[in-house]
Amino acid sequence: AQSVTQPDIHITVSEGASLELRCNYSYGATPYLFWYVQSPGQGLQLLLKYFSGDTLVQGIKGFEAEFKRSQSSFNLRKPSVHWSDAAEYFCASTPTDSWGKLQFGAGTQVVVTP
Amino acid sequence: DTAVSQTPKYLVTQMGNDKSIKCEQNLGHDTMYWYKQDSKKFLKIMFSYNNKELIINETVPNRFSPKSPDKAHLNLHINSLELGDSAVYFCASSRQGSPLHFGNGTRLTVT
Repeated sequence: AQSVTQPDIHITVSEGASLELRCNYSYGATPYLFWYVQSPGQGLQLLLKYFSGDTLVQGIKGFEAEFKRSQSSFNLRKPSVHWSDAAEYFCASTPTDSWGKLQFGAGTQVVVTP
Repeated sequence: DTAVSQTPKYLVTQMGNDKSIKCEQNLGHDTMYWYKQDSKKFLKIMFSYNNKELIINETVPNRFSPKSPDKAHLNLHINSLELGDSAVYFCASSRQGSPLHFGNGTRLTVT
């Protein structure tokens, strides 16, 4: 069975500093991976996705993620965070034979300090 | 234009009541979903419908009944509400092979 792990429950970062959020997956076949962001009181917004091809994917809001099969990881990065990046970030994967049955990680809460 | 819209945004009700949450999408997607986010922010799928047909039905109490009158709508009806049903419920939609688009959620509080 597939699973997604986000090791960091909470990360505090200074505005302007870089950010990296970790995600590890467990899935036999090639996974379909996503990063979503949830701002307080809001829904889930897709930041980026990885299906195949180039292992470095660009997303919205200046985020990127790198798929590393050898490490079963799909870490999210941003070179310089803004105060508006404070939110909950979720990594997720879906099987192809049950598309949309997203397996979410537990989420990482990002706090941005001045 | 809101792509996936849910109503109401907040729902406060007493134990034992029956309530519904409505969801509509204007993206032309053929699959719609209900997800539940618990108090620890953990997200889990409940149901999915494809062209009005139930595709995914996770281990959810039968007090929860999804209804899809057409492929643009997926409503969630909950009977005999319990304290443990308090959560945020998210509707989502997608095409096969494409990412899910989520609504803004309905925060259900059962007192």
